[in-house]
Amino acid sequence: EVQLVESGGGLVKPGGSLRLSCVPSGFTFGGYSMSWVRQAPGKGLEWVSSISSSASHIYYADSVRGRFTISRDNAKNSLYLHMNSLRAEDTAMYYCARDRECSDGSCYSDYWGQGTLVTVSS
Amino acid sequence: DIVMTQSPDSLAVSLGERASINCKSSQSVLYRSTNYNYLAWYQQKPGQPPKLLIYWASTRESGVPDRFSGSGSGTDFTLTISSLQAEDVAVYYCQQYYSTPRTFGQGTKLEIK
Repeated sequence: EVQLVESGGGLVKPGGSLRLSCVPSGFTFGGYSMSWVRQAPGKGLEWVSSISSSASHIYYADSVRGRFTISRDNAKNSLYLHMNSLRAEDTAMYYCARDRECSDGSCYSDYWGQGTLVTVSS
Repeated sequence: DIVMTQSPDSLAVSLGERASINCKSSQSVLYRSTNYNYLAWYQQKPGQPPKLLIYWASTRESGVPDRFSGSGSGTDFTLTISSLQAEDVAVYYCQQYYSTPRTFGQGTKLEIK
């Protein structure tokens, strides 16, 4: 059974940093592109960042480029999202998702984790 | 960026009746060389992550009941639930994966009338 478990969320002050982690199981992690998608409270879904299976291709939403860094360690079966210079508008549930089919870096996701909540507030 | 617009924003349908949700993209998501529409549909129940229902605009994900179907091409798409069940109460999102950034519709909240 495919599972994705996120961790690392919490309360952080504006300008602060957090590192989110996602640990997959039930599939060969190194064979898939992965993404982070977020959802602000009561709002819709917003794609944040994606990384190809070998980390050779990385993509960011304009809203986070230069502040967030996606990375993966296939040997440790882990996906990460390093978030710096956090803003109130970054407050959201952050989901880790497995990508199945992609076109020019844009994919649909077939499995999603339960999410980890990031709250940016003073 | 491709803008995805869903209609209606909310919908109330009686149990056993048909529910239809529309999704319109600001530009075509049909890839001519493959003749595939790069469009997916997700279901999100309260307190849960999204669940993939449909991809390539009309291919049902494994395990998804056959009362769910997707149709359309180019810029106009529809998700149809042929006979609404109580467990179908959720927010539904369309998403294009034709180009980066992938973008989602604003969501359609489906309720029981």
